[in-house]
Amino acid sequence: DAKTTQPPSMDCAEGRAANLPCNHSTISGNEYVYWYRQIHSQGPQYIIHGLKNNETNEMASLIITEDRKSSTLILPHATLRDTAVYYCIVRVFQGAQKLVFGQGTRLTINP
Amino acid sequence: GAGVSQTPSNKVTEKGKYVELRCDPISGHTALYWYRQSLGQGPEFLIYFQGTGAADDSGLPNDRFFAVRPEGSVSTLKIQRTERGDSAVYLCASSLDPGGHYGYTFGSGTRLTVV
Repeated sequence: DAKTTQPPSMDCAEGRAANLPCNHSTISGNEYVYWYRQIHSQGPQYIIHGLKNNETNEMASLIITEDRKSSTLILPHATLRDTAVYYCIVRVFQGAQKLVFGQGTRLTINP
Repeated sequence: GAGVSQTPSNKVTEKGKYVELRCDPISGHTALYWYRQSLGQGPEFLIYFQGTGAADDSGLPNDRFFAVRPEGSVSTLKIQRTERGDSAVYLCASSLDPGGHYGYTFGSGTRLTVV
């Protein structure tokens, strides 16, 4: 079973910041938070991952709470092409670990 | 190639037939994963290869499913005696590091329909 809880759907206006929450209250000390997204008819795409510090890359920012029980993925200036299902996943960093996907959040960017 | 290539992109087969789904990972990626995605659900893990060997096949639903990767590159997922419940999108992913810690690259999948 997935170890994360996400809202099933969200809407955001084009050009605004999209903030996608994820709860992972049972996360272990050695587990990282990963985000993937899946645009219609494509395979999932890796976005970002982090352990406890906030992370930023060219796609998004990841904010992890101090207790690590929740996190937020931020798309700073959402475009129509960001419409997708976003998956929050926790996994350990060592060894080969399969990804356990939940239902994700269906994000719709509106013009 | 530039990405993970899966062929065919669509496959329609009759119940009881045998099918093979092919995955071409990114050149040099040693780790290869197969996932299955049913409509409206997130992908579910099937099997993981590190090199030529299946390091974890715990996600294969039953013995009708089998996968190979004989030369450590291309992989084939084989399904015998297909059933309507096997209809799904079959996704392949590869990564440069064995654990995919810096992210997997997924292909676009093969949509299998069993009629």
